[in-house]
Amino acid sequence: EVQLVESGGNLVNPGGSLRLSCAASGFTFSSYSMNWFRQTPGKGLEWVSHIVPSSDNIVYADSVKGRFTISRDNSKNSLNLQMNSLRVEDTGLYLCARQEGHGAFDLWGQGTMVTVSS
Amino acid sequence: EVVLTQSPGTLSLSPGERATLSCRASQSFGSNYLAWYQCKQGQAPRLLIYGASSRATGIPDRFSGSGSGTHFTLTISRLEPEDFAVYYCQQYGGSPLATFGGGTKVEIK
Repeated sequence: EVQLVESGGNLVNPGGSLRLSCAASGFTFSSYSMNWFRQTPGKGLEWVSHIVPSSDNIVYADSVKGRFTISRDNSKNSLNLQMNSLRVEDTGLYLCARQEGHGAFDLWGQGTMVTVSS
Repeated sequence: EVVLTQSPGTLSLSPGERATLSCRASQSFGSNYLAWYQCKQGQAPRLLIYGASSRATGIPDRFSGSGSGTHFTLTISRLEPEDFAVYYCQQYGGSPLATFGGGTKVEIK
């Protein structure tokens, strides 16, 4: 089955860290650019980060630049998001998504919940 | 940054009726980079339309997209029970890489 499954979400204190993972199956993961998005109460749906198949090109939203790091392991069909210096406003549902040839995002996971609170 | 404004916020319709959802952009951008998604609670978002008017794989032909410049429309010709959901328009390919509208909830009247 073609799917993406996120994991790693949790409750964490402000200033803390979390590592999210996205497991891909049913397609050639190494052929696709991948992205992280989040859905938050304050800002709705927001793009977070992008990585190309070779990992040579990585882009971040200004709101997470310098704090979040995206990576991938094509041998394990895995996408990761290391989140450091977490803030209350980072609270939300984090989703990974595949980017298809035209640039839209054609396959999404159901998300993993991150709550930043003391 | 392109800001997308969707209207109405909520659309109350009955099954079988036609739904027309609007998405307006703060500035013109390549219409090749406008997508529509369907979102249901607890489910993965579903790509419906890309390039403003191309249906994604497996999407029924009751869903259609149109528009260019700063005004785009998603039309559902005859609402089926499974179509009641939240719909988002999205611009992609710019900076930031993607931005979303605030969503339109299509609810059963």
